[in-house]
Amino acid sequence: DVKVTQSSRYLVKRTGEKVFLECVQDMDHENMFWYRQDPGLGLRLIYFSYDVKMKEKGDIPEGYSVSREKKERFSLILESASTNQTSMYLCASSPGGAGGRIEAFFGQGTRLTVV
Amino acid sequence: AQSVTQLDSQVPVFEEAPVELRCNYSSSVSVYLFWYVQYPNQGLQLLLKYLSGSTLVESINGFEAEFNKSQTSFHLRKPSVHISDTAEYFCAVSEGSNTDKLIFGTGTRLQVFP
Repeated sequence: DVKVTQSSRYLVKRTGEKVFLECVQDMDHENMFWYRQDPGLGLRLIYFSYDVKMKEKGDIPEGYSVSREKKERFSLILESASTNQTSMYLCASSPGGAGGRIEAFFGQGTRLTVV
Repeated sequence: AQSVTQLDSQVPVFEEAPVELRCNYSSSVSVYLFWYVQYPNQGLQLLLKYLSGSTLVESINGFEAEFNKSQTSFHLRKPSVHISDTAEYFCAVSEGSNTDKLIFGTGTRLQVFP
């Protein structure tokens, strides 16, 4: 089974802190994604990566950056956390190369609270 | 641009009743369609998907969805729900590229009452 592991289930951070959310997948997938989930807004794509050191902005990249130094690991960075970044963050991966026919696999999510 | 609309944010239903969760999409190209389920405090899991061929697709736990190209819909149905079906359900469309990017709807919370 594909496993996507997010390093923390719950995080509480202070406004202004630099926050790192880590995600690791164990199936050699090419593509990795970070989504943000908010009630009534569904999942919105923050950033995605289609190869090591390659990244593209999603729909809501402001206030975030990402890093993918190794194929299995994709990090989301909040440069200076703000209260409006309090949310559930979901990491996902997919194999790529199938023209979108293969589904993405999701981690358990990290619920981040910024105070 | 592609988009997905889930018209119902919440659907309350009694156990053993039928249910339909609605999903409409907009796209100028051929698409692949997915339904994901999120149980409380968990990540998303694939429920079923439509790629091509038969317009009716089924999941292992009794859900089914029908792709209707003329109405650009992919509604999810179950003839008899169980308490354990209580969850949030997301419809998604893939743009069909190798990046596997998904566009999600806003989700429908299914609440099953005894």
